[in-house]
Amino acid sequence: EDKVVQSPLSLVVHEGDTVTLNCSYEVTNFRSLLWYKQEKKAPTFLFMLTSSGIEKKSGRLSSILDKKELFSILNITATQTGDSAVYLCAAPLYGGATNKLIFGTGTLLAVQP
Amino acid sequence: NAGVTQTPKFRVLKTGQSMTLLCAQDMNHEYMYWYRQDPGMGLRLIHYSVGEGTTAKGEVPDGYNVSRLKKQNFLLGLESAAPSQTSVYFCASSYSPPGGSEAFFGQGTRLTVV
Repeated sequence: EDKVVQSPLSLVVHEGDTVTLNCSYEVTNFRSLLWYKQEKKAPTFLFMLTSSGIEKKSGRLSSILDKKELFSILNITATQTGDSAVYLCAAPLYGGATNKLIFGTGTLLAVQP
Repeated sequence: NAGVTQTPKFRVLKTGQSMTLLCAQDMNHEYMYWYRQDPGMGLRLIHYSVGEGTTAKGEVPDGYNVSRLKKQNFLLGLESAAPSQTSVYFCASSYSPPGGSEAFFGQGTRLTVV
């Protein structure tokens, strides 16, 4: 069965800490993995990863994909209270006419002042 | 710059009542999705559509129906609401198959069934 699994489920850190969020996957015909940040409402897109070993970076956030070990990590350096959110990992499933996006359960990150 | 718009934002239903959630996107996207989000369960796909006039079942389709009569609109219907359908519902759309481009999300509909 295709699935996306995230860990940890929740995490509490202090401002300035560095955190690493994990996403492992078992997806038939894997093509890409996506990261989203969800604050109070709609998830917002962070990264799409398609190639193994190539880091994507946006400010203090970075992500990398390992297609051999079937996982991705999302790093946040020098965390701020505004980074508090649920971070979601997703993978598209391709099946001819049935292309859809499935999500992991998310990691709840709380950054304390 | 509307993007993906969901209506209503909040709703309380009695068990057995019916309702329709509307999702509208103005980005000319082919793909549209309905998800529900429950604590500890992440986003679970209810139904989706790969183009106007098409619909397909996701992970948790029971108790829901959908229609995509126009490309820009994707409707989610609950024929006979149950307390188990209390959740936050998100609509999303994407230009190409998921993974080919990012999915854009609406702001969510919080539904309570009593």
